[in-house]
Amino acid sequence: NAGVTQTPKFQVLKTGQSMTLQCAQDMNHEYMSWYRQDPGMGLRLIHYSVGAGITDQGEVPNGYNVSRSTTEDFPLRLLSAAPSQTSVYFCASSYKGQLTDEQFFGPGTRLTVL
Amino acid sequence: AQSVAQPEDQVNVAEGNPLTVKCTYSVSGNPYLFWYVQYPNRGLQFLLKYITGDNLVKGSYGFEAEFNKSQTSFHLKKPSALVSDSALYFCAVRDIGGFKTIFGAGTRLFVKA
Repeated sequence: NAGVTQTPKFQVLKTGQSMTLQCAQDMNHEYMSWYRQDPGMGLRLIHYSVGAGITDQGEVPNGYNVSRSTTEDFPLRLLSAAPSQTSVYFCASSYKGQLTDEQFFGPGTRLTVL
Repeated sequence: AQSVAQPEDQVNVAEGNPLTVKCTYSVSGNPYLFWYVQYPNRGLQFLLKYITGDNLVKGSYGFEAEFNKSQTSFHLKKPSALVSDSALYFCAVRDIGGFKTIFGAGTRLFVKA
């Protein structure tokens, strides 16, 4: 049981480039989410999904796209990278996203945009 | 709107001493509160949660948290700190109206040997 996995661990992009951050979970969780972590700001929700085919915006969705074609995978796409998107990105999942459900986090992707 | 505040950027304690990491919250309705820990270069790990019932919640690694409704606080505690407890701690509250979790800014705990 690998839990939540993320690839790559590190990535450097140039301004304007696009890329996809991968996230997968093997716990059959319905709820998945993407956060970015910036110093002194905690974690901010980018997008989330409550099941295959269902996604919604979080607190800071601009510049990011998501899709959820399977229960297991929830990729995050950066359409045109900007230096402001330099951050550490975490994917997380929970059983059904209910109020009482704790989240399980991946190890993170450290992204630098030059 | 739901929110959490962690008033201390950093907490320093000596090994063997009790530790407290503070969290206050603001919610409309019943609070659903969580503590997570992040070790260096790792993702967050769930420590404990308050849903309802007993105000003292016990969690992983000997941590516990005290829910205080009148003070709208949910402080994380441990009777005897270990050097290995040094990490970044996040308090979080669930958004009752939807599927979102709101995290505090985090408190860095340093435990000195």
